[in-house]
Amino acid sequence: KNQVEQSPQSLIILEGKNCTLQCNYTVSPFSNLRWYKQDTGRGPVSLTIMTFSENTKSNGRYTATLDADTKQSSLHITASQLSDSASYICVVSDFWNDMRFGAGTRLTVKP
Amino acid sequence: SQTIHQWPATLVQPVGSPLSLECTVEGTSNPNLYWYRQAAGRGLQLLFYSVGIGQISSEVPQNLSASRPQDRQFILSSKKLLLSDSGFYLCAQRQGSGTQYFGPGTRLLVL
Repeated sequence: KNQVEQSPQSLIILEGKNCTLQCNYTVSPFSNLRWYKQDTGRGPVSLTIMTFSENTKSNGRYTATLDADTKQSSLHITASQLSDSASYICVVSDFWNDMRFGAGTRLTVKP
Repeated sequence: SQTIHQWPATLVQPVGSPLSLECTVEGTSNPNLYWYRQAAGRGLQLLFYSVGIGQISSEVPQNLSASRPQDRQFILSSKKLLLSDSGFYLCAQRQGSGTQYFGPGTRLLVL
């Protein structure tokens, strides 16, 4: 069983709408959690990184939350744009800096 | 700032042929280097990582191999490709426990 589960697997929304992507993990002991954005045919690019003590972190229209007690994170995208169409990958690192990758959520923003 | 180069960008190879994918990094020294494979619609699978010249750790037994002849060069190879080797290959680098940065990727199609 994957130690990082993302949902939904795919999502289609209209331009201008908001959406929230979920990441649940069992990685322990927890060190940090990162959200990456991967455009089709490109390498992933880091959006946010959160450590145990951080609950919320924003990067423009992207806001990530972390609940270390329930081992859940979310990535909220506000006022979506066509350029937000991509895969969003949750990556959780343990105390020894071993990384566990989620399978990603494929987001499609339609005009 | 660090830059990661991968080539070729796209490769079509027949089954049984050899493979050599190259990754070079700039703007950093003694990075940890990684090779990942991403099958269509799937998450990232760690194949190899290297903490220094000549030091290679294999995560998944398969017909692929990796080498690190220089500090900033990481090579992924195969003597005989299989159909199942098709995928998107990503090179990444990381300094210590910092953010992992990915290259642009190589799309490999084995026919």
